[in-house]
Amino acid sequence: LAKTTQPISMDSYEGQEVNITCSHNNIATNDYITWYQQFPSQGPRFIIQGYKTKVTNEVASLFIPADRKSSTLSLPRVSLSDTAVYYCLVDTGGFKTIFGAGTRLFVKA
Amino acid sequence: GAVVSQHPSWVICKSGTSVKIECRSLDFQATTMFWYRQFPKQSLMLMATSNEGSKATYEQGVEKDKFLINHASLTLSTLTVTSAHPEDSSFYICSARQGEAEKLFFGSGTQLSVL
Repeated sequence: LAKTTQPISMDSYEGQEVNITCSHNNIATNDYITWYQQFPSQGPRFIIQGYKTKVTNEVASLFIPADRKSSTLSLPRVSLSDTAVYYCLVDTGGFKTIFGAGTRLFVKA
Repeated sequence: GAVVSQHPSWVICKSGTSVKIECRSLDFQATTMFWYRQFPKQSLMLMATSNEGSKATYEQGVEKDKFLINHASLTLSTLTVTSAHPEDSSFYICSARQGEAEKLFFGSGTQLSVL
């Protein structure tokens, strides 16, 4: 299983772009990279998923370099409501879903 | 998007009693469901993985006789905390996956408080 490493915390201001990088040096060929957001006392929710290169949806972008040993979640123009914990998960979609420590993003006014 | 319903949202029970938590995939069939527990300001810790019709696979250190998991159908998995004690107090979360390489859909979580 690929182990993930993320910054423990990040601070930002409203309206800024936030980039959170996740390292997964031991990623396997069949692994996907998925990012989740969690608010206090709630279950995580899906943000974005990718395998390689760049993926963009209505809330975020995911950048994955060619070696796939890292990935960067980009949140454009964050707001106070984006204050949450962000997890990157690397797995093949099989039996194991091991979460890393996550990144606590705090958005300030 | 797909919805996973988890009930109850919170439960308070006396020490020694058993508590059942339900996790339902409302609009898709979940081939695999996962159960986690989460302590304050910590990450999710995988407890077990269950597939419909088969026994759950427990993570190391998780007592299978204490945390009973039943995945009776493709839309329902239950976690029963037997003979609960105060140290079992935690936030329990389930998730479901429709197929391989699919994203996870999470329940809203259950806050268990054992007195």
